[in-house]
Amino acid sequence: LAKTTQPISMDSYEGQEVNITCSHNNIATNDYITWYQQFPSQGPRFIIQGYKTKVTNEVASLFIPADRKSSTLSLPRVSLSDTAVYYCLVGDAGNTPLVFGKGTRLSVIA
Amino acid sequence: SAVISQKPSRDICQRGTSLTIQCQVDSQVTMMFWYRQQPGQSLTLIATANQGSEATYESGFVIDKFPISRPNLTFSTLTVSNMSPEDSSIYLCSVGVLAGVSYNEQFFGPGTRLTVL
Repeated sequence: LAKTTQPISMDSYEGQEVNITCSHNNIATNDYITWYQQFPSQGPRFIIQGYKTKVTNEVASLFIPADRKSSTLSLPRVSLSDTAVYYCLVGDAGNTPLVFGKGTRLSVIA
Repeated sequence: SAVISQKPSRDICQRGTSLTIQCQVDSQVTMMFWYRQQPGQSLTLIATANQGSEATYESGFVIDKFPISRPNLTFSTLTVSNMSPEDSSIYLCSVGVLAGVSYNEQFFGPGTRLTVL
């Protein structure tokens, strides 16, 4: 399974765009890139998933360069409620269980 | 999608005892997993619960300590046996659900917070 590297923590003010970059240098051809969000005392929640280029949903955007060795989760105009831990995961999208790295703890400040 | 419930939501147990955690899914799923999350840490996969056969355990986890049952496609149990304070964690059930032509999405239950005294 491809290992991921992402910043341990980030701080942002409310209303700003937050970009969290994840490195996954040994991603395999059939691997997808998935991001999860976890609030305290809750299980992780799926945010977005992509294979290449750009994916956008109502919550976030995911940018994946052509070499797929990294990806960037973009959260537009964050609010205090976006304070959470964000996990970047790389794998064959559910055929094997997700393996979690350390995640990025995002703190949104008023 | 899948809605997952776990029982109990939390418990405080004495050293040396065992606790069985139940996981119920609102639909039939092929893939079901158990994770552990120690305080302030990321999630660690314990095992894959296989329906009709023995669970597949990750390195560092053994059946004698964490026996798992999977009697059908909507239910599983994880038992934490002969508990010690080091077993204090949140235990999470997770399922994989087909979300597209060729990929699955993994959903997580709310977790069971276990404290061992």
